[in-house]
Amino acid sequence: GAGVSQSPRYKVTKRGQDVALRCDPISGHVSLYWYRQALGQGPEFLTYFNYEAQQDKSGLPNDRFSAERPEGSISTLTIQRTEQRDSAMYRCASSSSGQRARETQYFGPGTRLLVL
Amino acid sequence: KNEVEQSPQNLTAQEGEFITINCSYSVGISALHWLQQHPGGGIVSLFMLSSGKKKHGRLIATINIQEKHSSLHITASHPRDSAVYICAAGSNYKLTFGKGTLLTVNP
Repeated sequence: GAGVSQSPRYKVTKRGQDVALRCDPISGHVSLYWYRQALGQGPEFLTYFNYEAQQDKSGLPNDRFSAERPEGSISTLTIQRTEQRDSAMYRCASSSSGQRARETQYFGPGTRLLVL
Repeated sequence: KNEVEQSPQNLTAQEGEFITINCSYSVGISALHWLQQHPGGGIVSLFMLSSGKKKHGRLIATINIQEKHSSLHITASHPRDSAVYICAAGSNYKLTFGKGTLLTVNP
């Protein structure tokens, strides 16, 4: 009965390193979303999965960002060769269906990434 | 211009006051969401509406589809209502978020 969980909660890394951020959605939720939130801003859409299929990755800033959800449950957002501008809060959310916007999304606590 | 605009950006109130936060959107939507972001960072969904009005406790959300405008009202505000309130326009599966309104309710 747990909510959406994310790990790690905080990640400090040096510029140029790769990072992997994990999201564990609510059990049984079909849809999973990744967002990025800069300080003082609202979340910004990155990518969306329906089961294991990545149906929209239009929000990923560039090809250093990738995401997967191989078994339709846990998802990983990977940032390669991190840059300081990647520093932000990365949140994931899940919803039971997600095919329509008339559905509540449940947000995880986020991973705060700091790139030095 | 952002697709979702909120006003005010910051709002300070005294306990007991009636609060209104406004949201205007320029995109077509199937639903408008209001969310609350706690000081600790967690985000909780408050309302999802596509027409009319919804009420939950001291919170009321309204939407005017023709004018592409929504409001979130808090009656008898309390210091524990202090948070960032975010509206998001929903189209298909995608949410477009406003920047949020920082509400501070003083005792």
